[in-house]
Amino acid sequence: DTEVTQTPKHLVMGMTNKKSLKCEQHMGHRAMYWYKQKAKKPPELMFVYSYEKLSINESVPSRFSPECPNSSLLNLHLHALQPEDSALYLCASSPPGLATGSTDTQYFGPGTRLTVL
Amino acid sequence: SQQGEEDPQALSIQEGENATMNCSYKTSINNLQWYRQNSGRGLVHLILIRSNEREKHSGRLRVTLDTSKKSSSLLITASRAADTASYFCATDLKGNTGKLIFGQGTTLQVKP
Repeated sequence: DTEVTQTPKHLVMGMTNKKSLKCEQHMGHRAMYWYKQKAKKPPELMFVYSYEKLSINESVPSRFSPECPNSSLLNLHLHALQPEDSALYLCASSPPGLATGSTDTQYFGPGTRLTVL
Repeated sequence: SQQGEEDPQALSIQEGENATMNCSYKTSINNLQWYRQNSGRGLVHLILIRSNEREKHSGRLRVTLDTSKKSSSLLITASRAADTASYFCATDLKGNTGKLIFGQGTTLQVKP
């Protein structure tokens, strides 16, 4: 299985709602990532989990809360979002780099298109 | 500022022509990667080239890396309409940052 899956594909939520995005991989990768991507822009890194521990938080507002329940699953909990948070949210995973301290190929899911009303 | 800068920002060619995209970066890297993204979809990994490599091929794709100039190029030969997509370079910085830095991307349109 060489796939990263993400659910849901589309999500519309109000500013007072609480929702969660889910990401799953069964490739045995121990690094998992959340990215946010606005139209016609590159992906912006939000969080990195390494061996189920949060290793990087790119100063993301606390209304985004990541969770890594096990080595295959990554969640992103959303609460009190703003309309400017509307974007494509991408999950990715990667194996350990061949060289110590390097980041190898990342495998991306199809993304969740989030609209905040 | 961005680690990876790509040019051109947009490229429009006819089917069968070659497409070349360039990526420049600022600091030392472990590797440089190229990804493709079809509209509104996830990114697909194309090629990874390590800092001690100068050229790699994969099918119709050729990637070069010049670490002295801190630049890379992606060549797509004999382009097809299906190659229409955005192409991003991403750098893995030396020093174990644990993350990739993506360039701004090149939007390629291949006209049938």
